[in-house]
Amino acid sequence: KAGVTQTPRYLIKTRGQQVTLSCSPISGHRSVSWYQQTPGQGLQFLFEYFSETQRNKGNFPGRFSGRQFSNSRSEMNVSTLELGDSALYLCASSLPTVQYTEAFFGQGTRLTVV
Amino acid sequence: DAKTTQPPSMDCAEGRAANLPCNHSTISGNEYVYWYRQIHSQGPQYIIHGLKNNETNEMASLIITEDRKSSTLILPHATLRDTAVYYCIVRVDNDMRFGAGTRLTVKP
Repeated sequence: KAGVTQTPRYLIKTRGQQVTLSCSPISGHRSVSWYQQTPGQGLQFLFEYFSETQRNKGNFPGRFSGRQFSNSRSEMNVSTLELGDSALYLCASSLPTVQYTEAFFGQGTRLTVV
Repeated sequence: DAKTTQPPSMDCAEGRAANLPCNHSTISGNEYVYWYRQIHSQGPQYIIHGLKNNETNEMASLIITEDRKSSTLILPHATLRDTAVYYCIVRVDNDMRFGAGTRLTVKP
């Protein structure tokens, strides 16, 4: 079956702009989580969506937001971009079972802010 | 913050077993230990997970100590393609707190 698809793969934006990234989970997966990866901070959890509701949130400013649609596809938005937002943004999807299952990651979107 | 501690780097000879340790001394009773790996700028790849029993799949084996305060990931016959950063995670729902991981280099 198809894996987690993230679009676009690469993006260049200017400081102050806003950006929207997209994630299509594996068919049947209803939980989507977002992560930011930078050389300095490593992989950091941004937030998780399940059934169109944000279920968990990491320690990021309000400029970072997301949403999930009824088909489980998710988007994340970063407003007023800063140079430090340059990173690899990863999303992961998983089955929302009582016993945690593995999360499958996409290839990521590499965002460069200039 | 990550609840795990791993050595920053390890080397392994091709064809030999790679044993990657992880300390998680503050693990709670209902928290699972997960292992992922990331090969240069790709998305992390799931390897294996366990609660308290040892686990084995086609990729690796996971040995968890009886007190659950540490675990070891074993790649039985490492290949050059196993060169990657390996992350040990104590999982609290889908909020996975990644540490710095162990950079495993498999050498010919």
